[in-house]
Amino acid sequence: NFMLTQPHSVSESPGKTVTISCTRSSGSIASNYVQWYQQRPGSSPTTVTYEDNLRPSGVPDRFSGSIDSSSNSASLTISGLKTEDEADYYCQSYDSSNHVVFGGGTKLTVL
Amino acid sequence: QVQLVQSGAEVKKPGSSVKVSCKASGGTFSSYTISWVRQAPGQGLEWMGRIIPILGIANYAQKFQGRVSITADKSTSTAYMELSSLRSEDTAVYYCARESSGCWFDPWGQGTLVTVSS
Repeated sequence: NFMLTQPHSVSESPGKTVTISCTRSSGSIASNYVQWYQQRPGSSPTTVTYEDNLRPSGVPDRFSGSIDSSSNSASLTISGLKTEDEADYYCQSYDSSNHVVFGGGTKLTVL
Repeated sequence: QVQLVQSGAEVKKPGSSVKVSCKASGGTFSSYTISWVRQAPGQGLEWMGRIIPILGIANYAQKFQGRVSITADKSTSTAYMELSSLRSEDTAVYYCARESSGCWFDPWGQGTLVTVSS
């Protein structure tokens, strides 16, 4: 199986743009879709992007997902940061047996 | 739209079992896949397994094989996750979530806190 590695924490100022990375340890990042979830304290996770770069209805276009085969990683980019974006973010993919893998999570601080 | 409502918090003794329910409303339950994900205090998300109610087939993360059982009752649109031989490390919030064909989860249930303590 493979692992998804995320930075433990990132911080940025309101109005700026932040990118959170998610690196796959083995196998191609392009082999299986990558999703991103937002989790605010005390709440269930919610999807911000799915199938690499799609957004569920209701998620603002400030959130965008992408993959980069050259670095074997996925990224979540949040532009026009708002204080309400402060949360934990998790990437997620799956292996050839459809077993699900989560990244360790990244705490985003909007200062 | 689909909504998932889970059963309430549980306190269990080490060595016992716990069974958490997840009742779905909206949509067609038998066409869903329901996954279970847990989150220990201050930790990340961990996938436990899934069930496809229309097929009655479940599969599990290797870590939980032999200790977890995921079932579904189509008549009540409810999925269940039973975890046995509980230990303190199983203290966590347990979530159910509908899994879409692209293997992503939406929506999630509200979570059920299971505390394992003597």
